[in-house]
Amino acid sequence: DAEITQSPRHKITETGRQVTLACHQTWNHNNMFWYRQDLGHGLRLIHYSYGVQDTNKGEVSDGYSVSRSNTEDLPLTLESAASSQTSVYFCASSETTGAPQETQYFGPGTRLLVL
Amino acid sequence: GNSVTQMEGPVTLSEEAFLTINCTYTATGYPSLFWYVQYPGEGLQLLLKATKADDKGSNKGFEATYRKETTSFHLEKGSVQVSDSAVYFCALSDRGATNKLIFGTGTLLAVQP
Repeated sequence: DAEITQSPRHKITETGRQVTLACHQTWNHNNMFWYRQDLGHGLRLIHYSYGVQDTNKGEVSDGYSVSRSNTEDLPLTLESAASSQTSVYFCASSETTGAPQETQYFGPGTRLLVL
Repeated sequence: GNSVTQMEGPVTLSEEAFLTINCTYTATGYPSLFWYVQYPGEGLQLLLKATKADDKGSNKGFEATYRKETTSFHLEKGSVQVSDSAVYFCALSDRGATNKLIFGTGTLLAVQP
């Protein structure tokens, strides 16, 4: 069955370190998204991609970067981790019909703690 | 800009009680509207959606109707079960931006036996 996976599921790191969170989907979806979930804020969009070599900034992109070298993967990098980036991170993907009502499929999340 | 407002939680109900979680939105044009559910320790999954005014989305006994006149998409269920305990997120997708979702803050539902 097609799926979307994230790794690691839990990560503890120190302030200033570079951290990369992996996201891999086997749906063959062109659209991929990264969100962070914080209490009182719901989910906020960090970065998104509509295909290979395409990346776009979301509403909370400062301190994060992504790259898209193939259809299946969209890794999220924290360039220099800060305590404010302690959060739960979700990756999602969707089909490329261009229709706004397409369902997004979410991974299980990565819980990141920055000390 | 576009936004979604949903009722604060937590909502605590007894099993078989009636559930309403309010959701209102602000958007230009005619967005698509969604309810996603997050069970403990899991990612989000689509519960239901509606793409135009007066559409009713339904799934697993949950329903929500797209009300353009009141800019609302309230989630309802006639008889909740303990297994419905989860966080519920209302979201919209702007027709002008390909599949980008804007989420509300989420409402925690706790159903007691």
